[in-house]
Amino acid sequence: GENVEQHPSTLSVQEGDSAVIKCTYSDSASNYFPWYKQELGKGPQLIIDIRSNVGEKKDQRIAVTLNKTAKHFSLHITETQPEDSAVYFCAASNTGFQKLVFGTGTRLLVSP
Amino acid sequence: NAGVTQTPKFRILKIGQSMTLQCAQDMNHNYMYWYRQDPGMGLKLIYYSVGAGITDKGEVPNGYNVSRSTTEDFPLRLELAAPSQTSVYFCASSPGMGIAFFGQGTRLTVV
Repeated sequence: GENVEQHPSTLSVQEGDSAVIKCTYSDSASNYFPWYKQELGKGPQLIIDIRSNVGEKKDQRIAVTLNKTAKHFSLHITETQPEDSAVYFCAASNTGFQKLVFGTGTRLLVSP
Repeated sequence: NAGVTQTPKFRILKIGQSMTLQCAQDMNHNYMYWYRQDPGMGLKLIYYSVGAGITDKGEVPNGYNVSRSTTEDFPLRLELAAPSQTSVYFCASSPGMGIAFFGQGTRLTVV
């Protein structure tokens, strides 16, 4: 089955810096790669996603890149703000099976 | 629009007790899921359903059961609770294409 690895487990940056979180996946049949943000005491919330027919996607300060050949994808957050502090999860799925496999999460801390 | 609603938010169980975690969605999604989240382990899929009357096991189904009699509801049953089932449980629903909407979670402690 699919296996998703996520790095780093914790990331501390200064406000205004960029943050990058990386994930690798094992199943070449995976074709959907979402990123979730989880704030303390809440459920994960989808912030951006990318499908395998696209190499990069941007939404304001966040972007996701996908390298299908290397089987890795990354989340990029620019001009970080304290409210970006949260745990971020990557996931992968084959939409034919409709099951998401999650990475282990990255705790991002943005210091003012 | 409430989205995905989980009850209860917190629960303490004694070893050997049983309970049902409730999950309801009002988005008319066919797909529903139960995940558990342990510290540093991400989210693991327990059970999922692709529609009313259809359920299947995920990665970690042992000790749990589910049913899906309606599109809206997907309860998770714990029989004979064990300390290893101490976790945060999340229900999610999806319209398909992989997108998932999560509830707020149920924090369960088994003592």
